[in-house]
Amino acid sequence: EDQVTQSPEALRLQEGESSSLNCSYTVSGLRGLFWYRQDPGKGPEFLFTLYSAGEEKEKERLKATLTKKESFLHITAPKPEDSATYLCAVQAWRDDKIIFGKGTRLHILP
Amino acid sequence: EAGVTQSPTHLIKTRGQQATLRCSPISGHTSVYWYQQALGLGLQFLLWYDEGEERNRGNFPPRFSGRQFPNYSSELNVNALELEDSALYLCASSLTGLNPYEQYFGPGTRLTVT
Repeated sequence: EDQVTQSPEALRLQEGESSSLNCSYTVSGLRGLFWYRQDPGKGPEFLFTLYSAGEEKEKERLKATLTKKESFLHITAPKPEDSATYLCAVQAWRDDKIIFGKGTRLHILP
Repeated sequence: EAGVTQSPTHLIKTRGQQATLRCSPISGHTSVYWYQQALGLGLQFLLWYDEGEERNRGNFPPRFSGRQFPNYSSELNVNALELEDSALYLCASSLTGLNPYEQYFGPGTRLTVT
């Protein structure tokens, strides 16, 4: 069964303290892996799509990487406005369904 | 450019009633997806419509149904509401043919069943 597991569930960092969020996935034939940011009470905001192992994408303080079994979202020198829940999702070639992980709640302390 | 819009923002119903939620995709997007986000469960895929047809369906009972109109807007209907249907319902749209499908979400409809 296709599955997405994100860790940790929650993470508290001091402003400027870099870290990484993990997304482990099990899917037969990965079509793509997505990262989203979700603020409380709002819809997720699209961040990145990764297609194949070894691929990397960057946006401001965020960098997403992909291997054959997991993806990392690296946050460099975070600011309080980076506080949000970060969601990972995968899409399989087999049925096109998109499966989301439960997310990592990130809190950046000033 | 306007994003995905959803209405209503909040909806309060009693158990056994029916709820209708609406979604307008980004202009030019032909695919619409519906998700349920209940507390502690993450986003659960409900339905996917493209070009007016249902393309895929998540593991939800038949009382969850919907449709897509010729202008690509969509409607989600939930019949015989149960307390556990209380959740944030999110709609997303994408350009069909993009590989893979990058989805852009609306703000959601908060459904409360009492």
